[in-house]
Amino acid sequence: GNSVTQMEGPVTLSEEAFLTINCTYTATGYPSLFWYVQYPGEGLQLLLKATKADDKGSNKGFEATYRKETTSFHLEKGSVQVSDSAVYFCALSGYSSASKIIFGSGTRLSIRP
Amino acid sequence: DTGVSQDPRHKITKRGQNVTFRCDPISEHNRLYWYRQTLGQGPEFLTYFQNEAQLEKSRLLSDRFSAERPKGSFSTLEIQRTEQGDSAMYLCASSRRDRYNEQFFGPGTRLTVL
Repeated sequence: GNSVTQMEGPVTLSEEAFLTINCTYTATGYPSLFWYVQYPGEGLQLLLKATKADDKGSNKGFEATYRKETTSFHLEKGSVQVSDSAVYFCALSGYSSASKIIFGSGTRLSIRP
Repeated sequence: DTGVSQDPRHKITKRGQNVTFRCDPISEHNRLYWYRQTLGQGPEFLTYFQNEAQLEKSRLLSDRFSAERPKGSFSTLEIQRTEQGDSAMYLCASSRRDRYNEQFFGPGTRLTVL
């Protein structure tokens, strides 16, 4: 079945450091890929998405590229801020009318001032 | 605020009691989803509705769980005879049928079963 594996946390970085959170997936066909973010005390928010191979999703300085050849969708940001501290979830949805989203286990990111 | 809302935000109950949660989706969204999130894990799909029809249920949704969306607007999730293993965050999300990949999540209901 479809699944998502993402880098285990927690990840702690200093402000302005470069961020990479790895994510790989297993799916049949051509899934859509997502990164969701959960800030402390808040609900899940869609951060970015990509719906086909080689698409790049971007938002708030974060980027991720849909790599079908490596079945990956790594999240990157060039210079993190304290306000980026949150839990990040990689996710996918299969190409079906069911459209349920399958999430990874999440990576907690903490940014030191 | 026109986002997804859930009520209550927190619920503490004793084992064996029944609980019911409510979700109000974004008004123009005709799809509504329930997920469960346990500590340190990502959300897991439970069930979804298109309008009032329940179209898919996960194997996680045991016979103690029932969900309804009687008029195609708000939805309720009931858990009967709660067990300690039911302790989790219950998330609701909604989407438009033609943009089902864009699911908007509510703040969740945190259930603690003592």
